[in-house]
Amino acid sequence: GAVVSQHPSWVICKSGTSVKIECRSLDFQATTMFWYRQFPKQSLMLMATSNEGSKATYEQGVEKDKFLINHASLTLSTLTVTSAHPEDSSFYICSARGDRDFYEQYFGPGTRLTVT
Amino acid sequence: GQNIDQPTEMTATEGAIVQINCTYQTSGFNGLFWYQQHAGEAPTFLSYNVLDGLEEKGRFSSFLSRSKGYSYLLLKELQMKDSASYLCAVIADDYKLSFGAGTTVTVRA
Repeated sequence: GAVVSQHPSWVICKSGTSVKIECRSLDFQATTMFWYRQFPKQSLMLMATSNEGSKATYEQGVEKDKFLINHASLTLSTLTVTSAHPEDSSFYICSARGDRDFYEQYFGPGTRLTVT
Repeated sequence: GQNIDQPTEMTATEGAIVQINCTYQTSGFNGLFWYQQHAGEAPTFLSYNVLDGLEEKGRFSSFLSRSKGYSYLLLKELQMKDSASYLCAVIADDYKLSFGAGTTVTVRA
């Protein structure tokens, strides 16, 4: 149980375009989803926290108008990178937390974004 | 903010034991996680400690001392497939995971 999927697993886009990444909890209801970014040889940095049906909470330094997060249902959250630039190239990982175990997060497999 | 420190790299021989230390200073404490992450993949859960002491799970064990703000992950009988990055992460009062920079473990034959 507790499987989280992400789609796509990798994407290449041109500078200036937008990219949407989906995060789904497959066998449980995720009341909270988290979005992380990981640059090469660095650790995961939390970008934002989203709760179903409400606005996402962004970490300091993360532009909310550039990284749009929608958590429309208990099994789906999306991250849209708008007007992507090469410096946005990174590994984006989502995680989901259910309402039974408040401390455990289940990670998706990640999405490798390359902006050319 | 949260401060979590762990060594950058460690190298060990197949069959040996390696101990990865993690020290933390956080606003409150609701538990410490260890994750394994292979290159290009998402982290996978190894252990969760919220009380002091040693938790053993097969070849992997994790220890926590809350008074010292200290944890370690012990990997025994190292195998080549254990070559990976090991991430220490703490849940503080805000219930968010804060990660250390990760320790890259290289297992040599």
